[in-house]
Amino acid sequence: SQQGEEDPQALSIQEGENATMNCSYKTSINNLQWYRQNSGRGLVHLILIRSNEREKHSGRLRVTLDTSKKSSSLLITASRAADTASYFCATDGETSGSRLTFGEGTQLTVNP
Amino acid sequence: GAGVSQTPSNKVTEKGKYVELRCDPISGHTALYWYRQSLGQGPEFLIYFQGTGAADDSGLPNDRFFAVRPEGSVSTLKIQRTERGDSAVYLCASSSLGGGANGYTFGSGTRLTVV
Repeated sequence: SQQGEEDPQALSIQEGENATMNCSYKTSINNLQWYRQNSGRGLVHLILIRSNEREKHSGRLRVTLDTSKKSSSLLITASRAADTASYFCATDGETSGSRLTFGEGTQLTVNP
Repeated sequence: GAGVSQTPSNKVTEKGKYVELRCDPISGHTALYWYRQSLGQGPEFLIYFQGTGAADDSGLPNDRFFAVRPEGSVSTLKIQRTERGDSAVYLCASSSLGGGANGYTFGSGTRLTVV
């Protein structure tokens, strides 16, 4: 199966609630990134966490990384309808160089 | 330019035809990447350029796919004898060396439909 698998595949919440998405990967990584994609077109970089970091914040986003479990989570607090999108984790690693390996994504729907 | 520009945004072609997809990266970004994304899937790596040379082309699915970046800026992805299975969104990204803390900047993609 593909490196970088997101869980859940789809998530539907109400505006104001928190959304948590998880990502697992298989091989050693240098960095893990989260991207957002609207309507199946361009991806927007959200946040990058390095393999020696455990947690990172950016606005309403919080990312954690557990290299022992090869997993990461993305938390969006106080969600808004405009957060509705697909979210992908992507890793680059020691054997893959700077190319990114993406998971299959989580489709988040925030209902107003 | 301010962002990564991809043209055309949509391309419909007949099976067996040749297509070219263009990517204009952010000025000064030395690294350029091509990815392909099928419906409901995550992007899959195709090829990576560092400057003018292809540093990693291991993701190209077969010899019908080829990409160039002759002057280290604009890149063209070329697909010969297109097949219906080639239908996908083709994404281009650029970065400064190694991506850095700002990640990779993606274009809006070219949606290729082979009929």
